[in-house]
Amino acid sequence: EPEVTQTPSHQVTQMGQEVILRCVPISNHLYFYWYRQILGQKVEFLVSFYNNEISEKSEIFDDQFSVERPDGSNFTLKIRSTKLEDSAMYFCASTGQNEQFFGPGTRLTVL
Amino acid sequence: AQSVTQLGSHVSVSEGALVLLRCNYSSSVPPYLFWYVQYPNQGLQLLLKYTSAATLVKGINGFEAEFKKSETSFHLTKPSAHMSDAAEYFCAVSDGAGNMLTFGGGTRLMVKP
Repeated sequence: EPEVTQTPSHQVTQMGQEVILRCVPISNHLYFYWYRQILGQKVEFLVSFYNNEISEKSEIFDDQFSVERPDGSNFTLKIRSTKLEDSAMYFCASTGQNEQFFGPGTRLTVL
Repeated sequence: AQSVTQLGSHVSVSEGALVLLRCNYSSSVPPYLFWYVQYPNQGLQLLLKYTSAATLVKGINGFEAEFKKSETSFHLTKPSAHMSDAAEYFCAVSDGAGNMLTFGGGTRLMVKP
């Protein structure tokens, strides 16, 4: 069964450093998303991506964040200068048949 | 704007007992509604979804949910809890296919032997 994959599973970084979180959505899906979940809190929408551009973004998704589909398979989330409060689980998702399929997540720890 | 409220951040049931996890939503358009389950250190797995077809939706692992427009609810039930059901459950709403999901705060289900 096809699935969304994410790498790395855990990323530790120093405050102020740039990080890139990688996702491989399911191959025939057209909509891609990033969500985050701060420990103990609800899952929050960050951004959606369709036809090689951002279709919707939340207030969280400020200038420090960017997304890219550099090739036909990868979908990346970049945080330019990480802050302590960026520590969270980041989930990638892609949509097919009215359902969003989620990846296993990347746990980002900012020290 | 859409929102989801899950009543009860923690629910504890005995094995074999009925599971009822509550979800109320707010949406200005006909909603798409979802229940996801999250096991420790894992991602989100879809249990079931409502997309304007039958109001009683059956999902995986014996779970089902009923869409009640008049009550703006989409409660999740399972007749008999199993130890393996212990997890975090999230209700979510969307205003269409391919659109962002808005999640509730989650309910941690604990199952006692």
